[in-house]
Amino acid sequence: QKEVEQNSGPLSVPEGAIASLNCTYSDRGSQSFFWYRQYSGKSPELIMSIYSNGDKEDGRFTAQLNKASQYVSLLIRDSQPSDSATYLCAVNRPGTASKLTFGTGTRLQVTL
Amino acid sequence: EPEVTQTPSHQVTQMGQEVILRCVPISNHLYFYWYRQILGQKVEFLVSFYNNEISEKSEIFDDQFSVERPDGSNFTLKIRSTKLEDSAMYFCASSEDRAHEQYFGPGTRLTVT
Repeated sequence: QKEVEQNSGPLSVPEGAIASLNCTYSDRGSQSFFWYRQYSGKSPELIMSIYSNGDKEDGRFTAQLNKASQYVSLLIRDSQPSDSATYLCAVNRPGTASKLTFGTGTRLQVTL
Repeated sequence: EPEVTQTPSHQVTQMGQEVILRCVPISNHLYFYWYRQILGQKVEFLVSFYNNEISEKSEIFDDQFSVERPDGSNFTLKIRSTKLEDSAMYFCASSEDRAHEQYFGPGTRLTVT
């Protein structure tokens, strides 16, 4: 079983729609969860962090965490063409010296 | 806004040569990391560094790799004898605290010929 799993996509949504990106993780001890955006040929850019169950909103982005289901998601409202990128889910299990374990990423395409 | 910087942006080297990749973490951060991403693959952890010593390293980080904080600002990754399979993007990251957000630099593209 992969440590962090994401659907590779591409996920195609029309401009203005809500994009929903999902991630599951295998290690129940995981405590910190992050979403990064990565444009082609660029470095990961931190979008959201979430540490406790529930929702966390920041502008057009909402991260959702359900530790019982080992599931974390990212919603992007009012999707824009500039949101087209690969979204990486990353998990940090303190006690393992804080390394991030990444999923393979979901490629999002926002169409006009 | 503070950011992580890396030099060079692109390094081409011949197999067997030594390379040093340089990073300047965000100034008040205490934890430093190296990750790599082979083209088309996921981001992989290499090593974490805190209080002037390695906190954790992955299986990838073998004896050919070393890290150093030679002064108060730089953090370096050295590959002693490069192999073709070392060709990848290498990202430096830093964080204030082990559990909190890690901020990535722009990366160094290493090409081994």
